[in-house]
Amino acid sequence: GQQVMQIPQYQHVQEGEDFTTYCNSSTTLSNIQWYKQRPGGHPVFLIQLVKSGEVKKQKRLTFQFGEAKKNSSLHITATQTTDVGTYFCAGVYGNNRLAFGKGNQVVVIP
Amino acid sequence: EAQVTQNPRYLITVTGKKLTVTCSQNMNHEYMSWYRQDPGLGLRQIYYSMNVEVTDKGDVPEGYKVSRKEKRNFPLILESPSPNQTSLYFCASSRDPTNTEAFFGQGTRLTVV
Repeated sequence: GQQVMQIPQYQHVQEGEDFTTYCNSSTTLSNIQWYKQRPGGHPVFLIQLVKSGEVKKQKRLTFQFGEAKKNSSLHITATQTTDVGTYFCAGVYGNNRLAFGKGNQVVVIP
Repeated sequence: EAQVTQNPRYLITVTGKKLTVTCSQNMNHEYMSWYRQDPGLGLRQIYYSMNVEVTDKGDVPEGYKVSRKEKRNFPLILESPSPNQTSLYFCASSRDPTNTEAFFGQGTRLTVV
């Protein structure tokens, strides 16, 4: 089925540093959603991007949607221990389904 | 409080013994879905439902059944569980399939021996 590819799959990040996680699709997306899953928890919605080239910020998190609506990124600055978890992107395709990527598991090193 | 409730949270069962995982939401959402999460594979959709009595297969439907007799409930049925269905299962609901956030349940960790 349709899918979005996330890279990297794993990241170790030093506390205080920045990191970025990427999401790519081979076909155009209607929109894209980002979720965060804390260890032992369930996915929690972070944001949705709809427009080509859209950029949204949530405090230390910056979300971007590519001009061609085929890729997206999440950039986190000044990483904190609370940023630990798995970040998922979910692409919305024309058939009205969400397709989740495999996730980017982030470990924060104090 | 808006929530999606799954039961049970943990289940160990034997091969072939039918089981049902319940899912209930209190947000009057029309769209509900089931996912399984396995290490390295992310969230894969099993089944989804656009509304009462409307269900459809996701990416990995084999070995599962669902029903949607009421708007709030969307149970997942494993008629004859097998060890390869050992996984972490999530139910999710949203106002519509793609334009609004999905709310996830707490998850059900199923082990089939």
